[in-house]
Amino acid sequence: GENVEQHPSTLSVQEGDSAVIKCTYSDSASNYFPWYKQELGKGPQLIIDIRSNVGEKKDQRIAVTLNKTAKHFSLHITETQPEDSAVYFCAASFRANSKLTFGKGITLSVRP
Amino acid sequence: DSGVTQTPKHLITATGQRVTLRCSPRSGDLSVYWYQQSLDQGLQFLIQYYNGEERAKGNILERFSAQQFPDLHSELNLSSLELGDSALYFCASSVGTAGANVLTFGAGSRLTVL
Repeated sequence: GENVEQHPSTLSVQEGDSAVIKCTYSDSASNYFPWYKQELGKGPQLIIDIRSNVGEKKDQRIAVTLNKTAKHFSLHITETQPEDSAVYFCAASFRANSKLTFGKGITLSVRP
Repeated sequence: DSGVTQTPKHLITATGQRVTLRCSPRSGDLSVYWYQQSLDQGLQFLIQYYNGEERAKGNILERFSAQQFPDLHSELNLSSLELGDSALYFCASSVGTAGANVLTFGAGSRLTVL
């Protein structure tokens, strides 16, 4: 089955700096890669996703890049703000399979 | 408010007991997913239902069971509870059943087994 890994488990950046979170996946058939943000006391919420026919997608301060050859995808957050502090989960799935496999999450702290 | 309602928010019980967690999906969503979140394991997929039928199964223990009712709400039953079952249990819903659907998560039910 699919295995999704996120490293490191924590990341701390200064407010205004950029943050990059990387994930790797194992199943070359996976073709959908979402990122979810979980704030304290809440459930995860989708912030951006990318499909395998696209190499990069951007939405305001966040962007996701996909490297299918290397089987990794990354979340880029520019001009970080304190409200970006949260746990970020990457995930991967194969379209015909209902299961979405999540990484273990990374805790991002933005220092004011 | 995500539109996915989970009850109870918090639950404290003893080992060996049985509990039921309830989930009402977002209006219009036919799929319901259950995930377990623990500190060291992240989000673990348990089971998925689509319009009342089981569609996918993950790392769900035999002591756990779930179902989706005709009104589309779902219940997750956890029995013979052990200390290691303490975790956050999330319900999520989506419109369809394909893996590329956006999942909308509820706020979770925190289970503490003493």
